[in-house]
Amino acid sequence: DAGVIQSPRHEVTEMGQEVTLRCKPISGHNSLFWYRQTMMRGLELLIYFNNNVPIDDSGMPEDRFSAKMPNASFSTLKIQPSEPRDSAVYFCASSPGPKAYEQYFGPGTRLTVT
Amino acid sequence: GENVEQHPSTLSVQEGDSAVIKCTYSDSASNYFPWYKQELGKGPQLIIDIRSNVGEKKDQRIAVTLNKTAKHFSLHITETQPEDSAVYFCAAGGKLIFGQGTTLQVKP
Repeated sequence: DAGVIQSPRHEVTEMGQEVTLRCKPISGHNSLFWYRQTMMRGLELLIYFNNNVPIDDSGMPEDRFSAKMPNASFSTLKIQPSEPRDSAVYFCASSPGPKAYEQYFGPGTRLTVT
Repeated sequence: GENVEQHPSTLSVQEGDSAVIKCTYSDSASNYFPWYKQELGKGPQLIIDIRSNVGEKKDQRIAVTLNKTAKHFSLHITETQPEDSAVYFCAAGGKLIFGQGTTLQVKP
């Protein structure tokens, strides 16, 4: 079975550019989560969807960040405009149930903003 | 909101020894406590979890114990092997809050 798929695996961009990260959850899972991981702040939940609907976006750092889930098999996290402090590894995870269920993480996208 | 503290931040053991990582949480309503293992360059992988209706769960060399009264839970790895070397994260809460991670090094 394919796990959570994320693309690209690595992204290097210049400050001010738009960045779009993509995620394909495990088929049949109805919850999707976006996390950011840095050395300073650890693993932080940015936003989570249940049945394609954003349920909690309180972790989204600011208006430069937006996320969408147009259907059950695809989600995007967009940063516009990007800043150097956005450099981090971004993970997508999916779950077969609501919040308090096991989550399965993708391999992550390492974002570097110069 | 939920707060999760994890200790120690680093742990070094000899192959074959046991390793214990401890976490405390603040939200008494939490009822799901997973543990994740993250290897370099990879995403966290769920290795074991426990729900608040049980006090202990075991899967081969790994076990998790839960003390709801004291609001802490622990990961136990027995007969450690070099491939156990990784960063381990605990989590708790309905909206999973992760601990800061423990870097485990198993020396051959």
